[in-house]
Amino acid sequence: EDKVVQSPLSLVVHEGDTVTLNCSYEVTNFRSLLWYKQEKKAPTFLFMLTSSGIEKKSGRLSSILDKKELFSILNITATQTGDSAVYLCAVAHRNSGNTPLVFGKGTRLSVIA
Amino acid sequence: NAGVTQTPKFQVLKTGQSMTLQCAQDMNHNSMYWYRQDPGMGLRLIYYSASEGTTDKGEVPNGYNVSRLNKREFSLRLESAAPSQTSVYFCASSELAGVGYTFGSGTRLTVV
Repeated sequence: EDKVVQSPLSLVVHEGDTVTLNCSYEVTNFRSLLWYKQEKKAPTFLFMLTSSGIEKKSGRLSSILDKKELFSILNITATQTGDSAVYLCAVAHRNSGNTPLVFGKGTRLSVIA
Repeated sequence: NAGVTQTPKFQVLKTGQSMTLQCAQDMNHNSMYWYRQDPGMGLRLIYYSASEGTTDKGEVPNGYNVSRLNKREFSLRLESAAPSQTSVYFCASSELAGVGYTFGSGTRLTVV
């Protein structure tokens, strides 16, 4: 059975802190791993990672994939209150046109001033 | 710039009532999905349609039916609502099954 496990489930930090969110997975025929940010409404896309060891970066957010150890991390530096959200990790299967993404339960990040 | 449009945004039902959640996308995507989100449970797949004319069950299909009306529209029906179906429902679409999704804004459903 495919599995995506995120940790921690929730996290409270102060503004300016750096946080690391974790995502481990067990899926057959791995294609890619995706990170989403969800505030009040729908999840919005952050990153898609397909190759091991290559960091994707967008501003204060960055993510890297380790395909050997089957995990990814999402780093947020100099956190701001606007980073408060649920961060979702999802995994896609390779060449399987009929298989949807498998989501983890998410990490709820709260950034306090 | 509509993307994925879900209606209604909010709904309150009595136990046993039926309703249909509507979803339409204007990106010419092949695949569409219905998820529910409950506190601490992440996104759980109810049904999906990999392409027009096909539908498949996801992780939690009991109590739901779907119709892929055409390439644009994918509806979710609750035939006899139960309090356990109180949740936030998201529709999503993608060009191919399994690649990055575009989500609708969600429907908050309460069954009393």
